Amino acid sequence: ETGVTQTPRHLVMGMTNKKSLKCEQHLGHNAMYWYKQSAKKPLELMFVYNFKEQTENNSVPSRFSPECPNSSHLFLHLHTLQPEDSALYLCASSQGTGREQYFGPGTRLTVT
Amino acid sequence: SQQGEEDPQALSIQEGENATMNCSYKTSINNLQWYRQNSGRGLVHLILIRSNEREKHSGRLRVTLDTSKKSSSLLITASRAADTASYFCVFATGYGGATNKLIFGTGTLLAVQP
Repeated sequence: ETGVTQTPRHLVMGMTNKKSLKCEQHLGHNAMYWYKQSAKKPLELMFVYNFKEQTENNSVPSRFSPECPNSSHLFLHLHTLQPEDSALYLCASSQGTGREQYFGPGTRLTVT
Repeated sequence: SQQGEEDPQALSIQEGENATMNCSYKTSINNLQWYRQNSGRGLVHLILIRSNEREKHSGRLRVTLDTSKKSSSLLITASRAADTASYFCVFATGYGGATNKLIFGTGTLLAVQP
């Protein structure tokens, strides 16, 4: 266990659905991240939150909407996704940006 | 692209042998990190080396950093079947008030045969 939990672990959704991914860290960290991992591609940073403030949006389409209500929780709201959005979505946290990151197990998302 | 490059892309060795993975990067870094990912334990941080350090050890892991050549290597000694995983070279970039973010490479797939 890394101290970072993600739910759900698997999600299948249609292109017209709305769903949310949840991440929670129990490490007292101040920075949280969303990454997308697709087959045969490097891990892609999507969003960075530092002390609940979004500090990085890596040109992510607006159909992905992050929310960080406090330093321990991070959400990724999904709507009108495309099949190419199917991937493993990883959440991570760290004590300060640029430091070692602790990753959750990920949510395997399939868009049909 | 700021992404680093890892070499080799895949490596197969026998248990007990040493495994060496290399990576190169293009930009200035604050630190360089190595991560491991397998299906059982997910993505896990292994070791961090700062830009002013040249070598670091952690158990069976040895990392070197050459900032003049913008390259790093990870050595795993006395490998075990449980070391089978993908290994990622990751560097932290950004200075001053800019967000320090991690840039992941494509990884080296290590297979350790029993």
